[in-house]
Amino acid sequence: DIQMTQSPSVLSASVGDRVTLNCKASQNINKYLNWYQQKLGEAPKLLIYNTNNLQTGIPSRFSGSGSGTDFTLTISSLQPEDFATYFCFQHNSWPLTFGSGTKLEIK
Amino acid sequence: EVQLVESGGGLVQPGRSMKLSCAASGFTFNNYDMAWVCQAPKKGLEWVATISYDGSSTYYRDSVKGRFTISRDNAKSTLYLQMDSLRSEDTATYYCARRGGADYWGQGVMVTVSS
Repeated sequence: DIQMTQSPSVLSASVGDRVTLNCKASQNINKYLNWYQQKLGEAPKLLIYNTNNLQTGIPSRFSGSGSGTDFTLTISSLQPEDFATYFCFQHNSWPLTFGSGTKLEIK
Repeated sequence: EVQLVESGGGLVQPGRSMKLSCAASGFTFNNYDMAWVCQAPKKGLEWVATISYDGSSTYYRDSVKGRFTISRDNAKSTLYLQMDSLRSEDTATYYCARRGGADYWGQGVMVTVSS
């Protein structure tokens, strides 16, 4: 199985900060990496699909990059509504696997 | 607007069965693969199973193989998850999602396996 390792597990930041979240795959997953945002009590919401494609309706302050095994999600200027947990997800190989998440907290 | 609405969850004893449903609307259901994803309380997300657009192919995580069955009725735009021989570790919120790449999700349904 492909292991997805996210770092950091917790990130403290302030409104207006630029933050980068990391996701590392244990094997090459090509471009098939998605990023989700989840708020407490809600379903995950797709932000970025296939490494760097912004999902419809998602603000442009979110961006993704990477290839192969190393991927990043960048939020260019944090807004109050961005404090949540973020998960990466590989859909290149069965079984599909998620990272364990990065919790983005208000500093 | 894409909508996915799960139903069928609740409390069930270990070893018993439960069937979840996911009613889809707002898109052409029979054009898309569909998936189930679960999340144990205060834990991360786990992919459970995927079914191809026409139902001809199914894929499962190892821990549910032989116990869970994903299926679909394209005439009813509905996805199912039949869960047999349930275990306490199956306790989770179950989400249905569109595509193998999970672009849209339902609101989730809670399944609690406990005596």
